[in-house]
Amino acid sequence: GQNIDQPTEMTATEGAIVQINCTYQTSGFNGLFWYQQHAGEAPTFLSYNVLDGLEEKGRFSSFLSRSKGYSYLLLKELQMKDSASYLCAVKDSNYQLIWGAGTKLIIKP
Amino acid sequence: SAVISQKPSRDICQRGTSLTIQCQVDSQVTMMFWYRQQPGQSLTLIATANQGSEATYESGFVIDKFPISRPNLTFSTLTVSNMSPEDSSIYLCSVEDRAGGPDEQFFGPGTRLTVL
Repeated sequence: GQNIDQPTEMTATEGAIVQINCTYQTSGFNGLFWYQQHAGEAPTFLSYNVLDGLEEKGRFSSFLSRSKGYSYLLLKELQMKDSASYLCAVKDSNYQLIWGAGTKLIIKP
Repeated sequence: SAVISQKPSRDICQRGTSLTIQCQVDSQVTMMFWYRQQPGQSLTLIATANQGSEATYESGFVIDKFPISRPNLTFSTLTVSNMSPEDSSIYLCSVEDRAGGPDEQFFGPGTRLTVL
């Protein structure tokens, strides 16, 4: 079966750095996505990786290792508004998105 | 990025009734999807809405319970039929425009459904 694993919840301090990991086992791979979802709102796209390596976008970076079936989302200089759920999703061989359960990130002052 | 609106934004319904949710996109898009999200959980794909043909349903979801229409490239509806309290959830419409780039999905604001 297809599976995506993420930690259920993480806590970090304002101004710090946090890394949210995602491991996946899917039938084929056509890219990995990270989405942010604030409570009561729809998910919004953060990043996309299809090749190994690091993609940087401001305070957010995402890393992919296809051989290890592993990705992480790195958030720097954390702000209170970064408190949200972060969803990892992988496109399989049929270009269907397989979603992880999401990681709830709590930022403390 | 596509701008998506959904109607209604929320509703409280009685058991046994049906509710139709509308999804409108501000541009023509190839792929439209309907998701369900239970409180505190991730997204579950209900079906892919295909323009001009029947929707493609995921395992565990059937057309009789969740009929879908897609009359054109900017609009779709999802009906939740013969509702029970287990159908209480957030229903999300999303689109993906495979015109190049990473083909990320954009989501509507969601419809929060409570069934009594």
